[in-house]
Amino acid sequence: DAKTTQPPSMDCAEGRAANLPCNHSTISGNEYVYWYRQIHSQGPQYIIHGLKNNETNEMASLIITEDRKSSTLILPHATLRDTAVYYCIVRAVAGSARQLTFGSGTQLTVLP
Amino acid sequence: DTGVSQNPRHKITKRGQNVTFRCDPISEHNRLYWYRQTLGQGPEFLTYFQNEAQLEKSRLLSDRFSAERPKGSFSTLEIQRTEQGDSAMYLCASSLHGPSNTEAFFGQGTRLTVV
Repeated sequence: DAKTTQPPSMDCAEGRAANLPCNHSTISGNEYVYWYRQIHSQGPQYIIHGLKNNETNEMASLIITEDRKSSTLILPHATLRDTAVYYCIVRAVAGSARQLTFGSGTQLTVLP
Repeated sequence: DTGVSQNPRHKITKRGQNVTFRCDPISEHNRLYWYRQTLGQGPEFLTYFQNEAQLEKSRLLSDRFSAERPKGSFSTLEIQRTEQGDSAMYLCASSLHGPSNTEAFFGQGTRLTVV
């Protein structure tokens, strides 16, 4: 699976959009971009994934650049409960696969 | 709640003792994964099962570690002769693999402290 690079930390004001970047310049054509988050003292939680097209669900939007070398996770209206570590993961198989390779992620702090 | 359940949530043990953790996956999920997470790091894959078969083990899973899923439902992870370096959060996840796949759903983890 391709390596990802994320900023170690970010702040966002409550109610504003949180935009979390991820670089994955070595991504292959069959690799998906996944996002998970981990709230303190809890297990990771799946957020969203995509291959080429932008994706949106009830939690977030995923914007993937045309060359697929980077992506941005957007939380449209961040709340205090969105404070968590956000992991960007690139993997070759959609759906259940044998393992996820987590990096260090981005610590997002939503400020009141 | 029918999510992934892990017990105990916390365990403190003396160095050299054996410990066992349990994971109950989401009932219809056929895949079960174990991860370990140390402070400030992302989770690291240890092993996974499809039904009762253990299909892959990471190099992180030393000989002191053993995992089982005897009936393809719940799983146990045992650590023998614990060391201080085993102190970590142990996470379990499950997913459905087949004609319809799901993402991996994680439990809340078991935090092990070896003193």
